[in-house]
Amino acid sequence: AQTVTQSQPEMSVQEAETVTLSCTYDTSESDYYLFWYKQPPSRQMILVIRQEAYKQQNATENRFSVNFQKAAKSFSLKISDSQLGDAAMYFCAYPYSGAGSYQLTFGKGTKLSVIP
Amino acid sequence: GVTQSPTHLIKTRGQQVTLRCSSQSGHNTVSWYQQALGQGPQFIFQYYREEENGRGNFPPRFSGLQFPNYSSELNVNALELDDSALYLCASSSRGLGETQYFGPGTRLLVL
Repeated sequence: AQTVTQSQPEMSVQEAETVTLSCTYDTSESDYYLFWYKQPPSRQMILVIRQEAYKQQNATENRFSVNFQKAAKSFSLKISDSQLGDAAMYFCAYPYSGAGSYQLTFGKGTKLSVIP
Repeated sequence: GVTQSPTHLIKTRGQQVTLRCSSQSGHNTVSWYQQALGQGPQFIFQYYREEENGRGNFPPRFSGLQFPNYSSELNVNALELDDSALYLCASSSRGLGETQYFGPGTRLLVL
């Protein structure tokens, strides 16, 4: 079964600094996708970034970028110029097809605090 | 966007509950997830063209429907205390790499 591991339950960062959140996953597939989602206290899960495994280039979205190491099965999220609004739970997710569905497997999450 | 109702719900053990989800325009697939406090979401099941096409490790008392307009319901019978959680609905187009867009969730408390 596919597993997603986030080894940092909590992280903190000073406002305007850079922080990296870790994620590792297990899969036997060669073509797949990976996602980072953000869940603020308002609860709504928001897509941060999406990576296609067959693309060598790391995905970026404004201040958010990933370091995708396919051989190591590592998918870390880097947040640059951290802002107070970045404080949230961050979940790494791996989608896989099982029994006809396309379901997301999530890690346990990393709680990010931003210090003013 | 994706909407869910109600936002909060309190039930007692043994009761039944129905949660609702309206999918985003253009999406034909709805997935339901259960998120216990402090945990990542767990996949319950997925609906595509009004049929369930995949289920996670949840008992049959969790059931659902999808309607022709792609909105969906999650029904839970014989509620147990452990069913207390945040229930998230996500809509998407069908496909492995398609992004799932989440609603704000329904917080269910079972007493």
